[in-house]
Amino acid sequence: AQSVAQPEDQVNVAEGNPLTVKCTYSVSGNPYLFWYVQYPNRGLQFLLKYITGDNLVKGSYGFEAEFNKSQTSFHLKKPSALVSDSALYFCAVRPDYGGSQGNLIFGKGTKLSVKP
Amino acid sequence: DGGITQSPKYLFRKEGQNVTLSCEQNLNHDAMYWYRQDPGQGLRLIYYSQIVNDFQKGDIAEGYSVSREKKESFPLTVTSAQKNPTAFYLCASRKQGGQPQHFGDGTRLSIL
Repeated sequence: AQSVAQPEDQVNVAEGNPLTVKCTYSVSGNPYLFWYVQYPNRGLQFLLKYITGDNLVKGSYGFEAEFNKSQTSFHLKKPSALVSDSALYFCAVRPDYGGSQGNLIFGKGTKLSVKP
Repeated sequence: DGGITQSPKYLFRKEGQNVTLSCEQNLNHDAMYWYRQDPGQGLRLIYYSQIVNDFQKGDIAEGYSVSREKKESFPLTVTSAQKNPTAFYLCASRKQGGQPQHFGDGTRLSIL
């Protein structure tokens, strides 16, 4: 079965330190990969995506993600965390076969907590 | 500004009652989606629609129904057959191709 794993339910970092939120996937072919952020009682906001090309993708709010095909991972990173980055982060994968209908498979989310 | 509007933000359902959640988009997107979000479970797909007058069941369609009579609108009805409807419901839309899905701000449904 196709799946997306976010192995950490919560990640705690100090403000100013680098942060990493992990994502691995089990999807055949060459899927599209996405990161979204969700603030309390709000919808998901798109951060960045990888379709093809450079393995390091830059997105909104200083976030970036590194695609690793051999490890089937797409970890989200930021060099210097802000308190305002505290939120719920979702990794999502879109299989690339025709029958996928463009639907996304979501991880269960990782809560990021940045302390001052 | 273009976007996705979900209403109401909070909704309460009595036992045996059907309720309808509204989702409207002015992004001229072709595809629309409904998700259910429960704590610690991520997002689960209820229904999706690629074009007007056509929709397909997602992973957890039982107890829900939808319609897609207009490109801009994709309402979700939570029927009395859905025994555990308390959740946060998110609507999304997407332009065809490799574009990301865009989300509304959700409707929180609770049981009275």
